[in-house]
Amino acid sequence: GAGVSQTPSNKVTEKGKYVELRCDPISGHTALYWYRQSLGQGPEFLIYFQGTGAADDSGLPNDRFFAVRPEGSVSTLKIQRTERGDSAVYLCASSLTSDSFSGTDTQYFGPGTRLTVL
Amino acid sequence: AQRVTQPEKLLSVFKGAPVELKCNYSYSGSPELFWYVQYSRQRLQLLLRHISRESIKGFTADLNKGETSFHLKKPFAQEEDSAMYYCALSGLNFGNEKLTFGTGTRLTIIP
Repeated sequence: GAGVSQTPSNKVTEKGKYVELRCDPISGHTALYWYRQSLGQGPEFLIYFQGTGAADDSGLPNDRFFAVRPEGSVSTLKIQRTERGDSAVYLCASSLTSDSFSGTDTQYFGPGTRLTVL
Repeated sequence: AQRVTQPEKLLSVFKGAPVELKCNYSYSGSPELFWYVQYSRQRLQLLLRHISRESIKGFTADLNKGETSFHLKKPFAQEEDSAMYYCALSGLNFGNEKLTFGTGTRLTIIP
């Protein structure tokens, strides 16, 4: 079936602008994650949704970053007043369920959105 | 705080030679460890996890709690193993599902 999809694949913006990045998870996956990967680094956790609610947003770097998942499926990561340091690949992942008693469920990653802030 | 360390950014191995990618972690509870792989122009995908205790594409990894390590091994490297490899950790605490990744090791298999 279709995997996790992300749009756009590339986004170039100017410093100070607002951007939205979209993630379509695998159908039926209740958990959705956002990560950010800077050059030469591993993915860094930003936020995790279980259904419509943010279960853990401890990775959001500051209040310029916000994410929503209003219907428990598609999620949008929103970045206000972008800065050059926000340039990175933003990865989305989804998993079927979030049941810690059976261990961590496999996360399936999207192709990422490469954000460049000029 | 949880942390994953992959000491080698780059590793080159001849085809047919053994491969070992190192991963060390720090975590206060009982972690779950993973290896993710990213082949050229493909998305990040799970290679294996310690709970499954299985061999995938000839790779194995054993969790050593005493040394806090989860090294990835393969006895005979193949050219198709060339890729970026990331070690990752997740806590088994209730509700904590995020993955903490290392910085990755780029493995190149020399024909």
